[in-house]
Amino acid sequence: VQLVESGGGLVKPGGSLRLSCAASGFPFSNDWMSWVRQAPGKGLEWIGRIRNKIDGGTADYAAPVKGRFTISRDDSRNMLYLQLNSLKTEDTAVYFCTRLNDKDASDLWGQGTMVTVSS
Amino acid sequence: QSALTQPASVSGSPGQSITISCTGTSSDVGSYSRVSWYQQHPGIAPKLMIYEGSRRPSGVSNRFSGSKSGNTASLTISGLQAEDEADYYCCSCSSSDTYVFGTGTKVTVL
Repeated sequence: VQLVESGGGLVKPGGSLRLSCAASGFPFSNDWMSWVRQAPGKGLEWIGRIRNKIDGGTADYAAPVKGRFTISRDDSRNMLYLQLNSLKTEDTAVYFCTRLNDKDASDLWGQGTMVTVSS
Repeated sequence: QSALTQPASVSGSPGQSITISCTGTSSDVGSYSRVSWYQQHPGIAPKLMIYEGSRRPSGVSNRFSGSKSGNTASLTISGLQAEDEADYYCCSCSSSDTYVFGTGTKVTVL
């Protein structure tokens, strides 16, 4: 049972990046999933979540990223995605994908992928 | 949405009990039972310790307990051990179908 993120890297301000999260060992399509980030030396920040298809498959976002970031999923591939657009230096962080249990808690975390936004 | 307020640091000696507070508002902690707590050691992903305010996932020591009163949730660690030294974060459901994390607390075992 694990989540493995990939796709992080160095990108210029205003640029875009797509992060991926590969799920394995559990019925991914049944679960709601989320993204959380952590800037260097700072605390955790919730970014957004996506429901499973049965519950509509829609996503909700935190105010700082709404309109710039998009969460999607491909249940046939057991993959979760985070599209980051119009990136700002303050988006520099480690990005974690998580599985949400039925009580809105993140009971499984990936190891994280680092995104650095710098010119 | 402002972060929930936690003390920056809490310390205790081995064997002692410590409590970490997590203060929010009537729009988050005060309105929802779904408060969770996470432990994070340096360079490692967070680990779920408490969910739905007071429930422990399988495998988490019963030395960890959670509670809530009004707009404040609390995490208590009893019988403090060296391995408990880590950062701890609370998280709550919030209005508009969002979540909010706490500011984080560094626990030091003296």
